[in-house]
Amino acid sequence: DAGVTQSPTHLIKTRGQQVTLRCSPKSGHDTVSWYQQALGQGPQFIFQYYEEEERQRGNFPDRFSGHQFPNYSSELNVNALLLGDSALYLCASSLLDRSGSNQPQHFGDGTRLSIL
Amino acid sequence: DQQVKQNSPSLSVQEGRISILNCDYTNSMFDYFLWYKKYPAEGPTFLISISSIKDKNEDGRFTVFLNKSAKHLSLHIVPSQPGDSAVYFCAPQSGYALNFGKGTSLLVTP
Repeated sequence: DAGVTQSPTHLIKTRGQQVTLRCSPKSGHDTVSWYQQALGQGPQFIFQYYEEEERQRGNFPDRFSGHQFPNYSSELNVNALLLGDSALYLCASSLLDRSGSNQPQHFGDGTRLSIL
Repeated sequence: DQQVKQNSPSLSVQEGRISILNCDYTNSMFDYFLWYKKYPAEGPTFLISISSIKDKNEDGRFTVFLNKSAKHLSLHIVPSQPGDSAVYFCAPQSGYALNFGKGTSLLVTP
């Protein structure tokens, strides 16, 4: 049973560039969330995608955008990179439970993004 | 403004004893509370959760307690094992978003 997979594992960019990170959800999951984890901090919610639409967004600027594809995989795009965007970017997937009960999010191992 | 606080950055416990990790929150809209553990170079792994309608949930060696009036939850690990050494995150949920604390690094010594 494949878990959440993210690519690439590491990435180095320079200020002002653009980056795309990719995520494949756990088999059977239909919802994808993205988080940013800075050094020494807990992960911070960026946004969540369901049915190819962004349905909740955290406190991140418009430079952060995303997409979900029909096969439920997702991309996170960040434009005009800043030094402060250096972080571990985590993808999490879950299954929408139509009975209304909460289902935990399952995380990938992340993409380490370094901005020079 | 931190909505979720884990006030102990680190905790050291002897193997076989109880580990107690604490978490305080300020947002009364949180209705689902999760604990994750994280090993270096890996993503967070879901451990245990509790709904706001309960005050206790148990899964093997792990028990989570929720005190809604005090806005406090705790994770108990009994007995602690060396393999439990990891960073533990408290993550209450609001809407679809998990709100993580900064984590507590647990070290279980033989």
